[in-house]
Amino acid sequence: DTEVTQTPKHLVMGMTNKKSLKCEQHMGHRAMYWYKQKAKKPPELMFVYSYEKLSINESVPSRFSPECPNSSLLNLHLHALQPEDSALYLCASSYESSLRGSADTIYFGEGSWLTVV
Amino acid sequence: AQTVTQSQPEMSVQEAETVTLSCTYDTSENNYYLFWYKQPPSRQMILVIRQEAYKQQNATENRFSVNFQKAAKSFSLKISDSQLGDTAMYFCAFMRPSGNTPLVFGKGTRLSVIA
Repeated sequence: DTEVTQTPKHLVMGMTNKKSLKCEQHMGHRAMYWYKQKAKKPPELMFVYSYEKLSINESVPSRFSPECPNSSLLNLHLHALQPEDSALYLCASSYESSLRGSADTIYFGEGSWLTVV
Repeated sequence: AQTVTQSQPEMSVQEAETVTLSCTYDTSENNYYLFWYKQPPSRQMILVIRQEAYKQQNATENRFSVNFQKAAKSFSLKISDSQLGDTAMYFCAFMRPSGNTPLVFGKGTRLSVIA
């Protein structure tokens, strides 16, 4: 079973709202990722968590705040977003990450469509 | 830095026919992984196939197979007996076993399977 589940599937929020995207995996993976994807483009890496610690932050604006409450869960807290932040947000996981020298296949969730109005 | 190039932005194929998607990459590494991911209109990114660079044998998964040419740094995907459900964006991706960049994606090839 290679399942990464994301909620909600669709989210519309105003620029002053606070919302969160959630991601869950029960495959025992130790690395979890957030990617942002705009239409007709490949995914862009935002954050990497390895063993529940934030390991990579790809210069993402502070209005995006990741959180890893435990090894199975990953959240992305959203606050004061801009319309240009509208995109598909993909969560992913892998058994290990390249940061620990033993990268493994990355599996993606279905994504959360975010629209900022 | 590693780069991945997919030179075919769009392709189409008749149902039941065979199609090949091209991918080239640039790296100085000897050990790495290559992937093809499929992203249908539903937008979920689905792993199609994986190839380890140290393996000479080309990976296959049912109707999907790759032609991995390490010296030429080429990694093409062949889809046999194309089905309507194969309509999707296909991304080629490169991964080093270690380092700060989990995946390097190509720009993608949009494949349309025509009935």
